[in-house]
Amino acid sequence: KAGVTQTPRYLIKTRGQQVTLSCSPISGHRSVSWYQQTPGQGLQFLFEYFSETQRNKGNFPGRFSGRQFSNSRSEMNVSTLELGDSALYLCASSWGTSGNKNIQYFGAGTRLSVL
Amino acid sequence: AQKVTQAQTEISVVEKEDVTLDCVYETRDTTYYLFWYKQPPSGELVFLIRRNSFDEQNEISGRYSWNFQKSTSSFNFTITASQVVDSAVYFCALSEATGYSTLTFGKGTMLLVSP
Repeated sequence: KAGVTQTPRYLIKTRGQQVTLSCSPISGHRSVSWYQQTPGQGLQFLFEYFSETQRNKGNFPGRFSGRQFSNSRSEMNVSTLELGDSALYLCASSWGTSGNKNIQYFGAGTRLSVL
Repeated sequence: AQKVTQAQTEISVVEKEDVTLDCVYETRDTTYYLFWYKQPPSGELVFLIRRNSFDEQNEISGRYSWNFQKSTSSFNFTITASQVVDSAVYFCALSEATGYSTLTFGKGTMLLVSP
């Protein structure tokens, strides 16, 4: 069974540009969550999508957005990149329901460097 | 608001030593889940264990064991007879016991196991 796949693995962008990251969840999982990991702030929740709807959102500016498609694949977009957006962006998938299936499985991440 | 504290930033041990990673949490929820994840240098967060707040039984899985004490809001993780392959950053996390998958992470503990 394939795990969570994130593409690309590495990205280098310059300030002011925008970037789109992609995440393919484990087959059957309907929830996709995104997290930002930086040395200073640690792992911070960005947003969660479930059945194509944003169900929860963290405390990030509107430059960070996302969407989920009917096949549960998700994309995350960051517009007008800032130096502080340099981070490892991790995607996680789960069934999205309460109970024993509420475990998030993570991809290997996309490392974004903003120059 | 939920909070997870991992007071140990970095631990260094020699192979075959036992090591305990501490985790203290805060939540107003009466039901919740606690997790441990491992992050090797490759970057992917690997799920290790989930514990329901109703279940305070300690758990042992091979060389890994977990001690959950609701009275002290702690969920500590012990590796017995550590190995070099155990070197990684370990994260403790907390989530609501609902379908929402949002994880609140601690800052992580870097474990270095030397031969």
